[in-house]
Amino acid sequence: ILNVEQSPQSLHVQEGDSTNFTCSFPSSNFYALHWYRWETAKSPEALFVMTLNGDEKKKGRISATLNTKEGYSYLYIKGSQPEDSATYLCALMAGGSYIPTFGRGTSLIVHP
Amino acid sequence: DADVTQTPRNRITKTGKRIMLECSQTKGHDRMYWYRQDPGLGLRLIYYSFDVKDINKGEISDGYSVSRQAQAKFSLSLESAIPNQTALYFCATALSGANVLTFGAGSRLTVL
Repeated sequence: ILNVEQSPQSLHVQEGDSTNFTCSFPSSNFYALHWYRWETAKSPEALFVMTLNGDEKKKGRISATLNTKEGYSYLYIKGSQPEDSATYLCALMAGGSYIPTFGRGTSLIVHP
Repeated sequence: DADVTQTPRNRITKTGKRIMLECSQTKGHDRMYWYRQDPGLGLRLIYYSFDVKDINKGEISDGYSVSRQAQAKFSLSLESAIPNQTALYFCATALSGANVLTFGAGSRLTVL
């Protein structure tokens, strides 16, 4: 079982703040990393798929970076808005199994 | 109509009853997964299938079985439900390779 760690577990910020959180994973046998946003009462929706060391992806105010050599990915949200409130999940796919293994998520609450 | 449809959305049952959760998809994806979500534990894989004739156990398969009736259908069964199987269950699909998952809306199961 792969150990995928996300930190912090939860985060409260004020509207307009920029924030970031971390997904850590075993660096050996890396294949891909996914980021998902999971809003309350909905199902997780994909944000990014990242496959190459040094990858940077961006969607609006949300961006992500990937370091496969040291085994981490950062998700950044610039100028947080209340509608960004959600749980953000990362999922690792390792070579050989190609099965997404999820971290426990970071719960973000943005206060108006 | 949703790309990935789960039925039922909510179910309350009693200990010892047989329960089936159904998942159907219109994405044309070969890969299908059943995950379970418990508060604080993230998404854990129960079973997965890469093809109609392919069934594989995930991290927490004990007490569950699955059937891949067709490319588009993947059912999860609890032969004799127990209270610690109370959880939110997600079906997900993926195309292949590093592609992200598409999730259904979830099935909330309560076992009394």
